[in-house]
Amino acid sequence: DAGVTQSPTHLIKTRGQQVTLRCSPKSGHDTVSWYQQALGQGPQFIFQYYEEEERQRGNFPDRFSGHQFPNYSSELNVNALLLGDSALYLCASSPRVGYGYTFGSGTRLTVV
Amino acid sequence: GQQVMQIPQYQHVQEGEDFTTYCNSSTTLSNIQWYKQRPGGHPVFLIQLVKSGEVKKQKRLTFQFGEAKKNSSLHITATQTTDVGTYFCAGPRGGSNYKLTFGKGTLLTVNP
Repeated sequence: DAGVTQSPTHLIKTRGQQVTLRCSPKSGHDTVSWYQQALGQGPQFIFQYYEEEERQRGNFPDRFSGHQFPNYSSELNVNALLLGDSALYLCASSPRVGYGYTFGSGTRLTVV
Repeated sequence: GQQVMQIPQYQHVQEGEDFTTYCNSSTTLSNIQWYKQRPGGHPVFLIQLVKSGEVKKQKRLTFQFGEAKKNSSLHITATQTTDVGTYFCAGPRGGSNYKLTFGKGTLLTVNP
């Protein structure tokens, strides 16, 4: 049973560019959350998707957007990249609210 | 910013010593979750506590949820080198069960 799959694993982008990160949730999970983790910090909630809708959003600017597809997979898009967007981006899935999350290995984004 | 506080930020122990990390919230939590992140890895779900005063054990790990459901602790008995990593608590915040907020974590290092 595959866990959460994220791609790519590493990415280097230039300031001002746009990036798309992808996530396939664990089998049987329909809820996908995205987190940003800076070095030495805890994961910060970006948003959560359920039934192809953004259900909850954290304190991130509109440059951060997402999508969930009918097969529950999800994308995170970041526009107009800033140096401060450099971080580990984690995707987490769960079968429903109130259950523990299964995290993917993350995408390490470096903005230069 | 993060509103789930964890102490200590770092803890270095000799193998065989005990370890405790504490998590505090300014508001009542409906539940609290604990995760472990190995260096260079991703968070892995350990446990969820729901009931006031709840205590759960997983081998050498003991998890407690405070009576007021505002604090929690993780205690490891007789640490081993495999316990190395950052331990995070996380709870739903902002009036939403969908927004799981993580503390900054406690980094545990174990000297063999």
